Amino acid sequence: EAGVAQSPRYKIIEKRQSVAFWCNPISGHATLYWYQQILGQGPKLLIQFQNNGVVDDSQLPKDRFSAERLKGVDSTLKIQPAKLEDSAVYLCASSLDRANYNEQFFGPGTRLTVL
Amino acid sequence: QKEVEQDPGPLSVPEGAIVSLNCTYSNSAFQYFMWYRQYSRKGPELLMYTYSSGNKEDGRFTAQVDKSSKYISLFIRDSQPSDSATYLCAMTYNQGGKLIFGQGTELSVKP
Repeated sequence: EAGVAQSPRYKIIEKRQSVAFWCNPISGHATLYWYQQILGQGPKLLIQFQNNGVVDDSQLPKDRFSAERLKGVDSTLKIQPAKLEDSAVYLCASSLDRANYNEQFFGPGTRLTVL
Repeated sequence: QKEVEQDPGPLSVPEGAIVSLNCTYSNSAFQYFMWYRQYSRKGPELLMYTYSSGNKEDGRFTAQVDKSSKYISLFIRDSQPSDSATYLCAMTYNQGGKLIFGQGTELSVKP
């Protein structure tokens, strides 16, 4: 079974630039999560999708972050414009369904550095 | 005060040692508890999942939950160098709810 795929693996940008991350979940997984993991901290949920609908985006800084999951499969997370404090690893995870929240499979993450 | 507190370490032990990793939490509403292992430059992977208070064992790993003390633990017996990683506790209020992670404890097992 293929795992969660993310790209790019690394990204370096200047502050105020835009950046986008892509995630392809495990085939058949209805629930998709985006997390932000700042160095030395645990992951923090940014947004959770159930198919192509948003379940929870309460911690997503909506003035600069946006995410979509068209057709309920792949997802993109965008930051526009980026700030220095956005430097972090952005993790995508998926689970079979919301009821399987405790069996989330994580991708390798995208490491973002904002200069 | 953070909802979930975890000693960041780093924790260094010799091979074969028993390791104890701990988290405390402030909200008594948490009912579902998980431990994840994260290798360097990788995503977290689920190790153990427990519901409410009690113990759960899986091979060399034992998870304990003490809801009265708001304290959870992960024990690793006969630790191996391959156990060297960051261990994250996570918890949630209800099934399907948002996971709240601790900051992680970095463990190094020396041969």
